[in-house]
Amino acid sequence: GAVVSQHPSWVICKSGTSVKIECRSLDFQATTMFWYRQFPKQSLMLMATSNEGSKATYEQGVEKDKFLINHASLTLSTLTVTSAHPEDSSFYICSAQKQGGGQETQYFGPGTRLLVL
Amino acid sequence: GENVEQHPSTLSVQEGDSAVIKCTYSDSASNYFPWYKQELGKRPQLIIDIRSNVGEKKDQRIAVTLNKTAKHFSLHITETQPEDSAVYFCAAVLSGSARQLTFGSGTQLTVLP
Repeated sequence: GAVVSQHPSWVICKSGTSVKIECRSLDFQATTMFWYRQFPKQSLMLMATSNEGSKATYEQGVEKDKFLINHASLTLSTLTVTSAHPEDSSFYICSAQKQGGGQETQYFGPGTRLLVL
Repeated sequence: GENVEQHPSTLSVQEGDSAVIKCTYSDSASNYFPWYKQELGKRPQLIIDIRSNVGEKKDQRIAVTLNKTAKHFSLHITETQPEDSAVYFCAAVLSGSARQLTFGSGTQLTVLP
């Protein structure tokens, strides 16, 4: 199998606080994980590529100092939304890349719904 | 970078009919094209994928076709059922890249009973 978990599944916080989201690959190792943001009725937008043991690569327009990514092990990547504001409210989804047999497939976590008041 | 366009944005079909969703991509270096199904509030689920060295792939009621020359690929769902109702996303991956997915804008498929 290829199971990816995310925690928490939802979070409500006050403006100005920081929120940490965890993404875990449960039954495989992932050197690469990806973080997406999805607004209602819109597509998934890639925020950053998380590489185990190195710095994340951010997409254009995504503030690296606001969205801190740490990929400390082959099964865990974390996204910290620092000083969250209402406009950061969104559905955050991670994916983990499973390699094998010359193919790569991304498996998605269940997502974290963030509401900033 | 890659750009993926998806049509239509909404599609309604009668149960039992077929549904077709089309995508075009911009970068001829893309070599992997997955399709995801996303139900409301849930994670995207991979339903089928195709690589650039293949023109067509089928899995039961679902098939995907790829035209590399025209740079477009399509999802075909036959004998649709109400549980097929969801948002479907196509995606493309550039060869040699960090294997990042570039998603289409999505198609809301509604299968009417």
